[in-house]
Order: sequence, then C-alpha cells, then structure tokens
Amino acid sequence: AQKVTQAQTEISVVEKEDVTLDCVYETRDTTYYLFWYKQPPSGELVFLIRRNSFDEQNEISGRYSWNFQKSTSSFNFTITASQVVDSAVYFCALSEAYYGQNFVFGPGTRLSVLP
Amino acid sequence: SQTIHQWPATLVQPVGSPLSLECTVEGTSNPNLYWYRQAAGRGLQLLFYSVGIGQISSEVPQNLSASRPQDRQFILSSKKLLLSDSGFYLCAWSETGARGEAFFGQGTRLTVV
Repeated sequence: AQKVTQAQTEISVVEKEDVTLDCVYETRDTTYYLFWYKQPPSGELVFLIRRNSFDEQNEISGRYSWNFQKSTSSFNFTITASQVVDSAVYFCALSEAYYGQNFVFGPGTRLSVLP
Repeated sequence: SQTIHQWPATLVQPVGSPLSLECTVEGTSNPNLYWYRQAAGRGLQLLFYSVGIGQISSEVPQNLSASRPQDRQFILSSKKLLLSDSGFYLCAWSETGARGEAFFGQGTRLTVV
C-alpha cells in the first residue's frame, strides 16, 4: 500500500539557515510519482515539484533543491538560505501509476523561519 | 489555462444540517477530481476521487458523499453534519492518469456548531 512518512512534525530555523525536510515513501508500484507541496497560512496548497520514479537526478530551483534516492525510498527537500516567507507547512505526496489514481500525502512538516 | 474554483470559502453550519460544497474546473477535459479534508493542525485525508462522470471512489467510510454530475463539477455532500465533520476541505484536479501533479482549490473552512 502507499504510504508517505514525514518524521519531522515541526522545524524552526533562523533566517538564512539551510533546512532539509525529510520524506520517506512506501509503494508496491514500480512506476510512481513524488511531489512536494507548500501550504502557506492562507491554506491553499501550492505545487512545488514532481518527480517520476525513473528520474533520480536531483533538481535545483533557486533556493530549493530536491534529493531523490530510490535505494532509501526518500525524497528530501532542502531550502538554502531560508527566508521568513518560507514559513509554511510542507507536504510530500506519492501517486502510483497503476495501483491508484489518487495521491497520498504525508502528515506534513511545519517550518518556521524566524527573523 | 486551467483554473479550479471552490466555494464557499468559509461555512458555519449547525449539527444535523445538510452540506453541499461545490468545485468546478475550467480549461481541461476529463480531469481526475479529488476531495480532501484537513483537520486542524493535521495532514490531508483523501475522502473521494473520481476519474469520470458518475464514477466515485470512497477512501474512508464516513458521513459524507460525493457526486460528479458533469465532467468538471465535483460536489461534496452530507445529509446531516456531525461535529467531527469540521475541518478544511480541499478540492483538487489532475490530468487523466496518475502522472501529473494535482492542483488545489482555495479550500472551504467548515465549522459545525
């Protein structure tokens, strides 16, 4: 069955620090998709990135980077030089290609960036 | 471009009253549609998803039901609300097939009193 674990419930950092949000997943499918979403205080979920199971190349987008490792079933998210505007709840999610049309979300990690 | 509309934004309803939340998507055809609930300070729980008109899959037995009367319309309903139905309800859509990301509406904050 699908499962996504985000062991860090809450993280607090001081502005300009780097922070890594962990995500570990379980799936029985060989083809699957991983996602990160940001939920600011307004509540709407904002899509950040999608990764398919065939592409283990790490990705960088500005201050954001993602480390996908199939060997450890992890898809970690790093924010470099964090800013106050990064404060939000971050969700990791998994979608299987064949066994489900749905998305399974992790419990989320609340990131607080202090000035 | 595709857009998703969800309303109302906030709702306060008494216990035992009915519920109807509506979600519509524009700019795409035959999307997958989803209803999620987020309890205060908690993660997202998938309630229903639909891959086509009249096709509804329920993930969690509960006091709620969903319907998809039109291709791009998804409705979440209840005949009698419970206090435990309070939460933040999010509608989402994705392209047909489980390959694309899901895009979310702005959510409805439901308080049952």
